[in-house]
Amino acid sequence: GAGVSQSPSNKVTEKGKDVELRCDPISGHTALYWYRQSLGQGLEFLIYFQGNSAPDKSGLPSDRFSAERTGGSVSTLTIQRTQQEDSAVYLCASSSSGSEQFFGPGTRLTVL
Amino acid sequence: GQQLNQSPQSMFIQEGEDVSMNCTSSSIFNTWLWYKQDPGEGPVLLIALYKAGELTSNGRLTAQFGITRKDSFLNISASIPSDVGIYFCAGQLVQGAQKLVFGQGTRLTINP
Repeated sequence: GAGVSQSPSNKVTEKGKDVELRCDPISGHTALYWYRQSLGQGLEFLIYFQGNSAPDKSGLPSDRFSAERTGGSVSTLTIQRTQQEDSAVYLCASSSSGSEQFFGPGTRLTVL
Repeated sequence: GQQLNQSPQSMFIQEGEDVSMNCTSSSIFNTWLWYKQDPGEGPVLLIALYKAGELTSNGRLTAQFGITRKDSFLNISASIPSDVGIYFCAGQLVQGAQKLVFGQGTRLTINP
């Protein structure tokens, strides 16, 4: 399909390790977003990219979190020195209009 | 802050019943969206609202953008088993490529 894809679908890591999560947005969508969803909770904004503008990083919870978007398409969310509280589902969304955001299936991260 | 209060947190209904859920905020939002999330999946957009007072339908779903811009409701008529899931409201403070603020979700369970 032509939807947002994310990989891996599941990631189990040990505390202190670094992890990289990948998002492939819908082709042609200029805006890309990362959200985090803890168990039984709503989505929490992390970061968003719009075209060539500087990303809005206001939702990143600590400097262990970073993201980049190469070539205006694929994005990678990196979490360094993972902690148990980082365990959550990480969701990526993309948009052409900005208001209607289309989500991927998410990456479930478990930090042991 | 920019929080959305979504209620009820959960609903247990009989198949065929109508459902109503709502979101309120102390902040004014310029866009309201309603999403549905199935287990292990990302949220799927149901309805987007852009104007205060706007009433929009999508099949058995109807949503309204409150006149004060601080609230929205979603109604589901004649519920069916596939309506089971978690429904989220989301608001956008500024229209366009901006982050979404999410409610905590309403978990809908349907007894056949």
